[in-house]
Amino acid sequence: DAGVIQSPRHEVTEMGQEVTLRCKPISGHNSLFWYRQTMMRGLELLIYFNNNVPIDDSGMPEDRFSAKMPNASFSTLKIQPSEPRDSAVYFCASSSDRGGYEQYFGPGTRLTVT
Amino acid sequence: DAKTTQPNSMESNEEEPVHLPCNHSTISGTDYIHWYRQLPSQGPEYVIHGLTSNVNNRMASLAIAEDRKSSTLILHRATLRDAAVYYCILRDLLNTPLVFGKGTRLSVIA
Repeated sequence: DAGVIQSPRHEVTEMGQEVTLRCKPISGHNSLFWYRQTMMRGLELLIYFNNNVPIDDSGMPEDRFSAKMPNASFSTLKIQPSEPRDSAVYFCASSSDRGGYEQYFGPGTRLTVT
Repeated sequence: DAKTTQPNSMESNEEEPVHLPCNHSTISGTDYIHWYRQLPSQGPEYVIHGLTSNVNNRMASLAIAEDRKSSTLILHRATLRDAAVYYCILRDLLNTPLVFGKGTRLSVIA
């Protein structure tokens, strides 16, 4: 298996622009998680889905952030408009209800907003 | 999720065993103890988890205190590739998000 796939790996954008991050979970996994990592706050959960349904989005910073999971093999995290404080590494992870519940993380998207 | 306490950093010589401690005095009866690690410029990766008994896998061993208020991740022979931040996380069996603390930054010296 290719593991969790994220794109793009790096994104540099100007303040005010829309940013879309993409994630393809491991085939057969039914839970998907979006995390963000910064030096100040460490790794924190933004939102997670189970069977394509958002379960907990309490970590989403504000209305500028939105996430969708239209099917079991694809999810997006959108920031509109982006701000410099959104600069971070965004990780997607997936796991299965059947098994040991280990979460498998993607390589992350490094977002820089200037 | 219950809180865990880990040392900020540890250092080990290559090819020696490493014992990474974690305190979780408020652990509940249904909490599993999970360990993840994050290598430089990579996403976190699962290492091991356990409930009450000690556990072994190809990556590491997990020793759990009898009262479950602490645990130790054991790397039997540290390599340079084991240099990473190690996170001890309490989690029930449900497929819920991970709550990361600051972890322990392990440095391995050649």
